[in-house]
Amino acid sequence: DAGVTQSPTHLIKTRGQHVTLRCSPISGHKSVSWYQQVLGQGPQFIFQYYEKEERGRGNFPDRFSARQFPNYSSELNVNALLLGDSALYLCASSWSGEEQFFGPGTRLTVL
Amino acid sequence: QKEVEQNSGPLSVPEGAIASLNCTYSDRGSQSFFWYRQYSGKSPELIMFIYSNGDKEDGRFTAQLNKASQYVSLLIRDSQPSDSATYLCAVRYSSASKIIFGSGTRLSIRP
Repeated sequence: DAGVTQSPTHLIKTRGQHVTLRCSPISGHKSVSWYQQVLGQGPQFIFQYYEKEERGRGNFPDRFSARQFPNYSSELNVNALLLGDSALYLCASSWSGEEQFFGPGTRLTVL
Repeated sequence: QKEVEQNSGPLSVPEGAIASLNCTYSDRGSQSFFWYRQYSGKSPELIMFIYSNGDKEDGRFTAQLNKASQYVSLLIRDSQPSDSATYLCAVRYSSASKIIFGSGTRLSIRP
């Protein structure tokens, strides 16, 4: 079975631009969570979606938004990029929100 | 105050010995506890989860939970060089669905 997939793998943007990151969960999993991980830190929770509804939101500005589609895939959008948004963005899928399995991540660099 | 605390390390352990990794958390109502392993440049990989007080064993790994002391640990028996990685402790809080990660402990197994 395929694991969690994320696209793109790497991305370079400039300040002020917008970015869309994509995630496909493990087949049968209905929950997707997004995390931001900067070097030397643990993943920081951004959003969780379950059955297309937002279940939780972390302490991130409104520039960050997400949605989940009927096939349970998800998008994370970040507007007005700042240098500090440079990080590894991780998507994790789970059947109900408990044990979460991470995708390979998208490395975002903002110049 | 950080919600999930881990010693950043590095923790150096000789090959074949027991590695002991510790984590404390601040919310007494926390329900679920997870240990992830993260190799450099890779995404976190779920090792174990534990919900109840006591020990849970899986192969060379044992998770220990003490809710009264708000303490969770991971023991790795017969440590191997391939166990060298950063170990992330994660806690799911009762008040929300989000999972909070610690900053991780770097473990180095020396031959």
